[in-house]
Amino acid sequence: AQSVAQPEDQVNVAEGNPLTVKCTYSVSGNPYLFWYVQYPNRGLQFLLKYITGDNLVKGSYGFEAEFNKSQTSFHLKKPSALVSDSALYFCAVRDTYIGDDKIIFGKGTRLHILP
Amino acid sequence: GAVVSQHPSRVICKSGTSVKIECRSLDFQATTMFWYRQFPKKSLMLMATSNEGSKATYEQGVEKDKFLINHASLTLSTLTVTSAHPEDSSFYICSARLDRGLYGGTEAFFGQGTRLTVV
Repeated sequence: AQSVAQPEDQVNVAEGNPLTVKCTYSVSGNPYLFWYVQYPNRGLQFLLKYITGDNLVKGSYGFEAEFNKSQTSFHLKKPSALVSDSALYFCAVRDTYIGDDKIIFGKGTRLHILP
Repeated sequence: GAVVSQHPSRVICKSGTSVKIECRSLDFQATTMFWYRQFPKKSLMLMATSNEGSKATYEQGVEKDKFLINHASLTLSTLTVTSAHPEDSSFYICSARLDRGLYGGTEAFFGQGTRLTVV
């Protein structure tokens, strides 16, 4: 069964500095990987995904993520953080192994951008 | 992007009553939808996979008789919390899976969530 780990409960970054939110995964087949953001009392908003192709994926709001197969990681990054980036971020994975159609989420990482 | 509408956004019900939550894909057909429950301190738990025209697949530990899922059409899945108890109070989120074909992969679009409070 697939699983996702987000090792940090919270990440604090000063505005203007680069940010990284970590994610590692475990699957049986090849992964589809996703990042979502959640603002207070709201649903999830899609940021970006990796399906195949280039390991560096660019998404919404200036975010990007790098797929690293050897390290089974898919860390979320942004070169320069904004206060408005403060939110809850979820990494998710879908295992493409036939018959396993579920999308599983990590526990989430709260990103706090300090002005 | 594709839109998923979840209704209601908030509901308060009395203990022992049932509550139905709807999840609609507005501009695409979704043979598969997912229901999640978000617990305090944020963790998002997959409850079940809803498949159009067939029975839902529940995750281990989720009571299927308590959380009834019906995926009656390609654009609608419903979650009914039966005989609700205060411990069922939570934020419930649905998602609908959009298949973009062999090379496009899939993407899940989420509803805005339903805050259920059982008093």
